[in-house]
Amino acid sequence: AQKVTQAQTEISVVEKEDVTLDCVYETRDTTYYLFWYKQPPSGELVFLIRRNSFDEQNEISGRYSWNFQKSTSSFNFTITASQVVDSAVYFCALSEFPGAGNMLTFGGGTRLMVKP
Amino acid sequence: KAGVTQTPRYLIKTRGQQVTLSCSPISGHRSVSWYQQTPGQGLQFLFEYFSETQRNKGNFPGRFSGRQFSNSRSEMNVSTLELGDSALYLCASSLDIGGPEGDTQYFGPGTRLTVL
Repeated sequence: AQKVTQAQTEISVVEKEDVTLDCVYETRDTTYYLFWYKQPPSGELVFLIRRNSFDEQNEISGRYSWNFQKSTSSFNFTITASQVVDSAVYFCALSEFPGAGNMLTFGGGTRLMVKP
Repeated sequence: KAGVTQTPRYLIKTRGQQVTLSCSPISGHRSVSWYQQTPGQGLQFLFEYFSETQRNKGNFPGRFSGRQFSNSRSEMNVSTLELGDSALYLCASSLDIGGPEGDTQYFGPGTRLTVL
């Protein structure tokens, strides 16, 4: 069965520090998607990135970057020069069997606190 | 384009009652999924609807049910409420046209249900 593990439950940094959120997943499927979502205090899950299992290219979007490594089943998320507005809970998620429906398996989330 | 909307945003019920939550997907999205978020169990998949049919189901008792209408709007119902049903219920929609973009789920703000 699929599983997503976010070992860091809480991380506290000072503004402008770099921070990496870890995500490790388990799946028996060869085709899958990985996602990162951000949940601010308002509660809504905000989509950040999607990565196809066949695409191991790292991605950078502004201060955000993602490192996908199939060899270690990891999909880590780095925020460079963190800001107070980055404070939120971040979830990594896995979707198996693309095309056969949408069912996300989420990790437990990492609460990031960025202090001024 | 408007995002996913959920009504009501907050709800207070007592044990034994039943409740209906509503979700309107992003215009053009055909798949609607529901998730339950609690501090103890995290984010868990409830069910997914596509073309007015339940396509996937999570591991929840039969007290949890849903449906989808021809305009893709969806409702979920919880009968005989228990204290443990207190949670944030999140609805997500996706295009479901295949491919990474079509399989990305976008979430609404959630309905916070409190059972007394």
